[in-house]
Parts: sequence; structure tokens; C-alpha cells
Amino acid sequence: DAKTTQPPSMDCAEGRAANLPCNHSTISGNEYVYWYRQIHSQGPQYIIHGLKNNETNEMASLIITEDRKSSTLILPHATLRDTAVYYCIVDPSQGGSEKLVFGKGMKLTVNP
Amino acid sequence: NAGVTQTPKFQVLKTGQSMTLQCAQDMNHEYMSWYRQDPGMGLRLIHYSVGAGITDQGEVPNGYNVSRSTTEDFPLRLLSAAPSQTSVYFCASRDRGLAEKLFFGSGTQLSVL
Repeated sequence: DAKTTQPPSMDCAEGRAANLPCNHSTISGNEYVYWYRQIHSQGPQYIIHGLKNNETNEMASLIITEDRKSSTLILPHATLRDTAVYYCIVDPSQGGSEKLVFGKGMKLTVNP
Repeated sequence: NAGVTQTPKFQVLKTGQSMTLQCAQDMNHEYMSWYRQDPGMGLRLIHYSVGAGITDQGEVPNGYNVSRSTTEDFPLRLLSAAPSQTSVYFCASRDRGLAEKLFFGSGTQLSVL
């Protein structure tokens, strides 16, 4: 079973920030939070990951709560091309089980 | 680098036929895995491997066999295809260091009639 919970879908207006939530209340101390997205029927693509601190790259920002039980992926200025299914997973990344379970993800629709 | 290459891209089988979905990566990644994706079901892990000669079951392993004789290749075998195996299959790989990301192939769309 997936160790994360995401809402099934979300809408966002083009040009606005999209805030995608994820709950991972059973996350272990050595597990990272990773985000991937899948545009249409392509293979999923990596977006960003983090352990404790907030992270930012050219695609997005990741905010992880202090207790690490939830996180938010932020797309600062959503475009139509950001319409995709977004997956939040927890990943030991080194050692431990490498049974990486993705779950159903969340469909983000960016509207013009 | 080609990354993760899956062949074929499309395949139609009859019930009971066997076939192998190929997956190859040229990044010297130790970890490789297979997922299937059905409408409304997200990605479900079939099998994975943490290195040559080592494989393990994922969430939905029944009806599929895998082997890992080389670092580069991780084929997925359907011994007797069933209509329930109609799906899109994705292969993924990554290195086994700290905080390594997964790289996915472009998928194989399989229909079993």
C-alpha cells in the first residue's frame, strides 16, 4: 500500500500558484519525500525531493512540515503544460526496502 | 545516453500467448523496476531488482516473471497472457546512492484479447 495520501484531483488557474498537498503520517526518519509527475501517457518524470528542509529547484518548491507528516508541492506560476498526474512517494533512498509504491496520485488540471 | 529504453511500444497478444517486455538502461543503475498502469489505478509495482541476480516481488507480481542477469537489462515475462494483463507497462531505474531519483521509460502498451 502507498504510504502517502493525496486528494484525487485539483484545479488551478493558469498563472496562479498551484499548491499540491500530500500526507505521509507514517514516514520514517530516513525516508525522503519525492514528487514525480506524469503528463498524459508518458513515463513519470522526477520533480523534486526533500528530507527535512524546504527545497526549491527550477521546476517547483517543496515545503515539508516540521513533524514531516505532510508536505506541499508548489508550482509558483502554473501553466497549461503543468496539467498532469502528480505522485508523492516516500522513499528510503538508501538501504531499507526499495519497494517504491506510487499509488494513484493527484490529477492537476490547469485552466486557462 | 539513451536512458531507459522499453521495447516494444505497442503489442497485441491473444490469451494464452507468452511474450517478453524488454527494458534496458545505459546509466549503470543497480535498481530497476516494473510498474503497470491501469485507468484510475495509478502505478502499481510488479517486480523490482536491486542488482544483477537479485529480484523481488512488488504489489502485483502474479502472472509475471523477471530475471536480472546483467546490470543493463530487466525483462518482464508474461508466460500465459490474460485479458487482465491489458495495461501500460513502465520500466524504471535509478542508482542506489543517497537520494537518487527514478528514471522511467516511455512505456509499453499491451492489449490481450
